[in-house]
Amino acid sequence: GESVGLHLPTLSVQEGDNSIINCAYSNSASDYFIWYKQESGKGPQFIIDIRSNMDKRQGQRVTVLLNKTVKHLSLQIAATQPGDSAVYFCAENMGNNAGNMLTFGGGTRLMVKP
Amino acid sequence: EAGVVQSPRYKIIEKKQPVAFWCNPISGHNTLYWYLQNLGQGPELLIRYENEEAVDDSQLPKDRFSAERLKGVDSTLKIQPAELGDSAVYLCASSSLLAGGSNEQFFGPGTRLTVL
Repeated sequence: GESVGLHLPTLSVQEGDNSIINCAYSNSASDYFIWYKQESGKGPQFIIDIRSNMDKRQGQRVTVLLNKTVKHLSLQIAATQPGDSAVYFCAENMGNNAGNMLTFGGGTRLMVKP
Repeated sequence: EAGVVQSPRYKIIEKKQPVAFWCNPISGHNTLYWYLQNLGQGPELLIRYENEEAVDDSQLPKDRFSAERLKGVDSTLKIQPAELGDSAVYLCASSSLLAGGSNEQFFGPGTRLTVL
């Protein structure tokens, strides 16, 4: 079946370095993608989203890149901080309304070393 | 503004016992979701409500799971009887379709269920 998945289960970076978390998706009908951050004992928290008619979107210290040709999504975190340590999930949406019918990937744990 | 509230936060029961989870969505959010999250995995949708109507429950194991949202606000998710494999975190989320198409889902902290 079609699924959203991540290449690396754990990523360890030095504080201040940039982090890149990758995600592969297989459903070409997906038109909306979201990155979530989940800290221990909490629910997923929205970080940034991107629609399929874009290939890049920037937020505060975060950038999402979408490559529809190879069905690849990445989250870049600039100047990674200890507070960025968490599990990151990409999710895809195949519905008409953004945010509905999300399919989540398996998650990547980001560990920031001080 | 208060976020999505869930209770209890933790629940430990023996197999074959019933259990119920409660969710209070963000005020004004008409869409409510229940997800199951196994350790190290992403959330998986169990059921989605639009107001009081369940519009997608295809992933809900209906032999033992049930849910309701009688007045279109709070919701409960029930398991009866619970099995060992039901041990997981049960997440509730809510959203409100805004003009322009933004429909961000806001998640509660979840209920961690342990079935012994």
